[in-house]
Amino acid sequence: RKEVEQDPGPFNVPEGATVAFNCTYSNSASQSFFWYRQDCRKEPKLLMSVYSSGNEDGRFTAQLNRASQYISLLIRDSKLSDSATYLCVVNGGSNYKLTFGKGTLLTVNP
Amino acid sequence: EPEVTQTPSHQVTQMGQEVILRCVPISNHLYFYWYRQILGQKVEFLVSFYNNEISEKSEIFDDQFSVERPDGSNFTLKIRSTKLEDSAMYFCASSEVVWAASYEQYFGPGTRLTVT
Repeated sequence: RKEVEQDPGPFNVPEGATVAFNCTYSNSASQSFFWYRQDCRKEPKLLMSVYSSGNEDGRFTAQLNRASQYISLLIRDSKLSDSATYLCVVNGGSNYKLTFGKGTLLTVNP
Repeated sequence: EPEVTQTPSHQVTQMGQEVILRCVPISNHLYFYWYRQILGQKVEFLVSFYNNEISEKSEIFDDQFSVERPDGSNFTLKIRSTKLEDSAMYFCASSEVVWAASYEQYFGPGTRLTVT
């Protein structure tokens, strides 16, 4: 089983749509969870940390289910500027090392 | 907003040559990292560094690689004898701590290394 597995995508949605990204991780010792976004040929940028209780930041909502080892990200009212690759990232039981999923490409169309 | 910076943005080198990639982490951060991303693949951890020593390294980080904090601001990755398969984007990252919410790692813009 891959350490961090994401929907392969790509997702193509119209502006204003709601889109959900799913992710599973294999290491039950993982303690920290994140969503990053990466534009083409750019660095990963932290979108949000994911907390056990779930958290929301404007149009973005992240959920964590430790029992199922599952993380999700919901984007509401998507904008053209949301077009990017969304990376699910966990610390994999190590304090130092982040383990990345391969990412899911999102294209928001006018 | 403070940010991680990296130089050069693009480095072309011949196989067998040594390269040094440079990074300036965010000033109050204590933990530093290198990652790489081969074109079309996922981001992979190479090494983490704290208090002037390596905290953790991956299998990729073999004897050809080394890291150093030569002064109070720079953090470098040296590849001693580059191979074609070292061609990738190399990202430097830093974090304030490695526990609680401040564990978040912030990435620099990357150095694209092309080995010919």
